Amino acid sequence: NAGVTQTPKFRILKIGQSMTLQCTQDMNHNYMYWYRQDPGMGLKLIYYSVGAGITDKGEVPNGYNVSRSTTEDFPLRLELAAPSQTSVYFCASSPPFGSYEQYFGPGTRLTVT
Amino acid sequence: AQSVTQPDIHITVSEGASLELRCNYSYGATPYLFWYVQSPGQGLQLLLKYFSGDTLVQGIKGFEAEFKRSQSSFNLRKPSVHWSDAAEYFCAVGASGGYNKLIFGAGTRLAVHP
Repeated sequence: NAGVTQTPKFRILKIGQSMTLQCTQDMNHNYMYWYRQDPGMGLKLIYYSVGAGITDKGEVPNGYNVSRSTTEDFPLRLELAAPSQTSVYFCASSPPFGSYEQYFGPGTRLTVT
Repeated sequence: AQSVTQPDIHITVSEGASLELRCNYSYGATPYLFWYVQSPGQGLQLLLKYFSGDTLVQGIKGFEAEFKRSQSSFNLRKPSVHWSDAAEYFCAVGASGGYNKLIFGAGTRLAVHP
């Protein structure tokens, strides 16, 4: 079982460029999440999805977009990258029956210069 | 508003010493509580969780945590630390509003001296 996979592992963007961070899970989980992790700040929720076609904003959604066309995939889009988006991004998934347990991918380290 | 506080940003212990990482939460009802560990360059791995029942919960890698409602705490403990335990540890609480959302603390980075 691969669990939650993320690509790429590392990326350097120039200011104003765009990119998509990929996330795929093979556990048939309905719920999926995107977080960013900054030093000393813990994890902040960017967006989440409760199923294909259903997404909602988290705590820090500005500058990001998401879509969920299938149960497995939950890509995160950065439009017009800014230095403030330099961070480590984690995708996670969770089954829908109230356990709150989330399974995390290995992360993508993004630098915007 | 719900929140999680981890008062210690950085802790250093000697290998073989005992460990306690502190976590305090703010939540009105009985919380769902978690401890995750993040090794360098890795994603987060669940160590243990508390939903209800016995307030002392056992996790993987020899860790345990105790839920104390009166103190709004869920401290993580290990009787004897190994060098491989060096990592960052996150406490989290299940957020109100459902959808299995979590609120994370800022994390405690553990260093282990030989």
